Amino acid sequence: QVQLVQSGAEVKKPGASVKVSCKASGFTFTGYYMHWVRQAPGQGLEWMGWINPTSGVTNYAQKFQGRVTMTRDTSISTAYMELSRLRSDDTAVYYCARDLIAAAVYWYFDLWGRGTLVTVSS
Amino acid sequence: QSALTQPRSVSGSPGQSVTISCTGSSSDVGGYNYVSWYQQHPGKAPKLMIYDVNKRPSGVPDRFSGSKSGNTASLTISGLQAEDEADYYCCSYAGTYKGVFGTGTKVTVL
Repeated sequence: QVQLVQSGAEVKKPGASVKVSCKASGFTFTGYYMHWVRQAPGQGLEWMGWINPTSGVTNYAQKFQGRVTMTRDTSISTAYMELSRLRSDDTAVYYCARDLIAAAVYWYFDLWGRGTLVTVSS
Repeated sequence: QSALTQPRSVSGSPGQSVTISCTGSSSDVGGYNYVSWYQQHPGKAPKLMIYDVNKRPSGVPDRFSGSKSGNTASLTISGLQAEDEADYYCCSYAGTYKGVFGTGTKVTVL
C-alpha cells in the first residue's frame, strides 16, 4: 500500500525543538523528492522545504532557514523534519508530501501523510 | 516569498461553474508553468487536483480544469457538486528551487 505514515502529535515548550518522522511504504523511497508543508489552525498551507532522499540535498523556504533541518534514513525509508527554537506561532499540523514526478522536484504533491499536530505552549 | 493571492471565498449552486483565481508575479506563476491545485476537506490532508497548469491526475473528474494567463492561474469547477465544497489552494514554483502556496479559497455549494 502506497502511503506515508507520520509520527504522533507532540506538545513542546517555547524554545524547544521537535522532530517529526514520515515513513514511506509501497514505493521506492529514494525515487521521489519529499516535501514538508505546514498548516496553522484555521490557516492556509505553507511550504517549508524539500529533501532529495537519494543525495540528502535539501532546500528550505527562506522563512525557515536556520531553524529547520530535513534529513532521511534510507535504510528505513523515513524522512525527518526538525524545527528548533519553537514559538507559539509554530503550532500547526505538519505534513510530509511526495512529489509527483520521479527524481525531480516540481511542487506537485500527489501523496500526503495524515499530518502531525505540533502544539507549542508554555 | 509572499503567498499567492486567492479570493477568500467563492460560491455557486449545484450544476453551476465557479472559477478560482491565483495571482502571483513574474517570479512565480507568470515565470513558470509549474502550477498545481489542491482540494482540502476539513480535517483531511490536501489532494492534488491539477498539475502542470492544466493536467489532471488519474481519478480527478474532468469537471476540474486549470489555465493560466500572465501572472494569474485559474481553477474552474464545472457542474458543481455538493462534494466539491472544500478549501482550494494553488501552488507554484517560485525560482531557486523554492515553492509557494496561495492563500486559499473556500468553495461553498449553495
